[in-house]
Amino acid sequence: GENVEQHPSTLSVQEGDSAVIKCTYSDSASNYFPWYKQELGKGSQLIIDIRSNVGEKKDQRIAVTLNKTAKHFSLHITETQPEDSAVYFCAAHFRRALTFGSGTRLQVQP
Amino acid sequence: DAGITQSPRHKVTETGTPVTLRCHQTENHRYMYWYRQDPGHGLRLIHYSYGVKDTDKGEVSDGYSVSRSKTEDFLLTLESATSSQTSVYFCAISGPGLAGPAANTGELFFGEGSRLTVL
Repeated sequence: GENVEQHPSTLSVQEGDSAVIKCTYSDSASNYFPWYKQELGKGSQLIIDIRSNVGEKKDQRIAVTLNKTAKHFSLHITETQPEDSAVYFCAAHFRRALTFGSGTRLQVQP
Repeated sequence: DAGITQSPRHKVTETGTPVTLRCHQTENHRYMYWYRQDPGHGLRLIHYSYGVKDTDKGEVSDGYSVSRSKTEDFLLTLESATSSQTSVYFCAISGPGLAGPAANTGELFFGEGSRLTVL
């Protein structure tokens, strides 16, 4: 099956700085790579996604890059704000389900 | 917001007792999933369903069973709960529903979670 590795497990940045979270996947058949944000006590919500026929995608302060050859993808958050503090999960779509990374706890210090 | 309701939201039980968690959706989505979330492991797939009475195992299915007799309900059962099953359980849905003809984008919509403690 698919295996997704995510790093770092915790990340602390100053407000206004950039944050980068990296993931690698194992199965080259995976073709959809979403990122989810989980706020305390809530279910996760999709924030951005990318498909295997695209190398980069941006949505305001958030961007995702995909390197199919190396089987890794990254989440970039620029101009971080305190409300960006949350747990972020990457995932890869394999067969009929998503396999998730272990999560990154992002803390944005005011 | 996707209409997903999990019940109960919190439960404390003893080792060896049966437990059933319920996921109810109002979106008529085809796919439903049960994940468990544990520190250091992220979200791990337990079981999923791709239609009424159609289910399959995920990566951590041992000790769990599921049933889906109606489109809107997906039940997760722990026949004999163990302390290792203490976790937060999330239901998720995806796929085309009555809202439109779009193909399954793969996006998951999550419920609020059910915190289970097995003593």
